[in-house]
Amino acid sequence: HVQLHQWGAGLVRPSETLSLTCTISNGSFPDFHWSWLRQPPGKGLEYIGEVSPSGYINYNPSLKSRLTISVDTSRKQFSVNLTSVTGADTAVYYCAGGVHIIRGVRFDYWGQGSLVTVSS
Amino acid sequence: IQLTQSPPSLSASVGDTVSITCRASQGISSHLAWYQQKPGKAPKVLIYSASTLQTGVPSRFSGSGSGTDFTLTITSLQPEDFATYFCQQLNSYPLTFGGGTKVEIK
Repeated sequence: HVQLHQWGAGLVRPSETLSLTCTISNGSFPDFHWSWLRQPPGKGLEYIGEVSPSGYINYNPSLKSRLTISVDTSRKQFSVNLTSVTGADTAVYYCAGGVHIIRGVRFDYWGQGSLVTVSS
Repeated sequence: IQLTQSPPSLSASVGDTVSITCRASQGISSHLAWYQQKPGKAPKVLIYSASTLQTGVPSRFSGSGSGTDFTLTITSLQPEDFATYFCQQLNSYPLTFGGGTKVEIK
């Protein structure tokens, strides 16, 4: 079944850019909606954005001005960049593979999670 | 769309039946999923379309509801069920999650 492995810097300074990449194994880009989510310590989940099988990219409006999601189909990777980070961006970040169910995406496959701390 | 889960936490014993509710700020038909998350792990889908059991999930988990009010019920709680549960709406973007309900051992 699909496996996701993610990596990136675990410590980012305030005002700098958070960058994470996720590699897909046993799956292909047209199969799922490839997504990013995050979870601040002790809190609930927040949807960041996704790339659809057609290549359409959807961003959470609350983050859109600072957010870029990109894909490298040849390497079976997708990435997230979040600029101008603050302490409020400290969270465990997850990449995920989702299935479209009528109107939205159900997240079936998850990466291992990456704790990103914003601190000087 | 905001999702409000209740209670935020509950204590129960092995063998108990527990129910968790999720209320949406506007109608979402049956476009709701439930996830289970254990400490340090990624969430796992339990139920989608409000009441459809994901493949491989034990039948002691069940979901109900439509519109704005939804319930996740765990019948005969097992030791491995002690975890945090989240609801997610799939009705419209941005996709959103409830705040979670932590099920603890009494």
